[in-house]
Amino acid sequence: SYVLTQPPSVSVAPGKTARITCGGNNIGSKSVHWYQQKPGQAPVLVIYYDSDRPSGIPERFSGSNSGNTATLTISRVEAGDEADYYCQVWDSSSDHPGVFGTGTKVTVL
Amino acid sequence: QVQLVQSGAEVKKPGASVKVSCKASGYTFTSYGISWVRQAPGQGLEWMGWISAYNGNTNYAQKLQGRVTMTTDTSTSTAYMELRSLRSDDTAVYYCARIDTYVGWFDPWGQGTLVTVSS
Repeated sequence: SYVLTQPPSVSVAPGKTARITCGGNNIGSKSVHWYQQKPGQAPVLVIYYDSDRPSGIPERFSGSNSGNTATLTISRVEAGDEADYYCQVWDSSSDHPGVFGTGTKVTVL
Repeated sequence: QVQLVQSGAEVKKPGASVKVSCKASGYTFTSYGISWVRQAPGQGLEWMGWISAYNGNTNYAQKLQGRVTMTTDTSTSTAYMELRSLRSDDTAVYYCARIDTYVGWFDPWGQGTLVTVSS
C-alpha cells in the first residue's frame, strides 16, 4: 500500500515558523489532509485538500503539495502548537484507501 | 454540533473479543461513512477500515481481515467495531471518525476507547 514518510521530530522557537514534510510517491497528484493530536486527545483536522482550513483553525496553519512532498507550515508558532502532526491521504482506487503518515512531534523550545 | 461518542474502556484476555460502539449525532448518519483508526501506546495512527452507513459496505485493512467486523445500526445512528482473537499487540486506543469517501478526510473523531489485552 501507499507509504507516507514524515520526520520524527521538528523543534521550533516561539514566534518562528515550523515546516513539517510528508513524502510520498507522486503525492502531488493526491489530496493531502493534516491532523493535530495533543497528548491524551483525539486527532483534529487542521488542513484538508492540501491547503484549506476548517473553521476554527488559525490562519497560521497552511499547507502545500507538489511533486513528492506535501508540507504543513505553522507560522508564528505558539506553545499551544506543541503536538503530534499526521498527514493522510485517501486512495479510493486502492484496497487500502486510508493511509496515515508516520507522524511528527513538534516541540516548541 | 457534529459529535461522535464512543463506549468506555475495556480490558480483555488474549483470545477474547471486544466490541466498541460509536454513537453519532448532529448530522444525517446515512450520508457518511465511519472509519476506525487505532493507536498503540506511543505509536502512530493505523487505519483499520471503514463502513458506509448508507448501505453497509465495508473495506477492512488487509492485516485485520478475518478478525474485524464493522457494522452500523441506522435506527440509533451507532457504528460498531468488533475485533476477535485479541492479542497483546491489539492493545491500543481505538477511534471512530466520520468520513465522506468523496473527499477523503476524517472529521470529527470520537474521543477514543482504550482496549487493553492482558492475561
